[in-house]
Amino acid sequence: DTGVSQDPRHKITKRGQNVTFRCDPISEHNRLYWYRQTLGQGPEFLTYFQNEAQLEKSRLLSDRFSAERPKGSFSTLEIQRTEQGDSAMYLCASSPIQGLSYNEQFFGPGTRLTVL
Amino acid sequence: GENVEQHPSTLSVQEGDSAVIKCTYSDSASNYFPWYKQELGKGPQLIIDIRSNVGEKKDQRIAVTLNKTAKHFSLHITETQPEDSAVYFCAGGEGMRFGAGTRLTVKP
Repeated sequence: DTGVSQDPRHKITKRGQNVTFRCDPISEHNRLYWYRQTLGQGPEFLTYFQNEAQLEKSRLLSDRFSAERPKGSFSTLEIQRTEQGDSAMYLCASSPIQGLSYNEQFFGPGTRLTVL
Repeated sequence: GENVEQHPSTLSVQEGDSAVIKCTYSDSASNYFPWYKQELGKGPQLIIDIRSNVGEKKDQRIAVTLNKTAKHFSLHITETQPEDSAVYFCAGGEGMRFGAGTRLTVKP
């Protein structure tokens, strides 16, 4: 399967703990996006990378949220000092930046976070 | 920033009928408008998209229309089938600003 993969698929943690999620994009895709989705809502954009450069991070929800893509391949999203309000599905997507399909985002299955 | 409004929030149709979902956007500089289908427990899947240089695009039973002057675009599904039942999302802001979603139910 050459689609976007995310790990773990489910994470249960206690309030105050740190969590880190991983996303592996489609190999030839330059852009990688992170979204948060709460029940009954559309995906909420958090940040995105073009190769290793983080081009927008102003919509990260607070300074407890950070993302990295150090080698321009996989990315990690970290949430520090988790709160119950962080419980949500965290989605990753990737897209090419050239060719006829530029901007088309391909989503992974998501990581469901539950903060107790 | 870009605001994307999507209507209706729920839509129920009989099998074989057509379904139409509408979205409006605020940023006149937006040029890319995708539609996604999301099934339970899965990530959104792109089903069709349109760029600002065209007014309509069709792919079998699915079509999208774009009115740049009025800043709205619509998803049209014809001959609906029960497997079309899902949540549908539009997006603006170069595909990064999503609407709140429409839950489509197709009754057999």
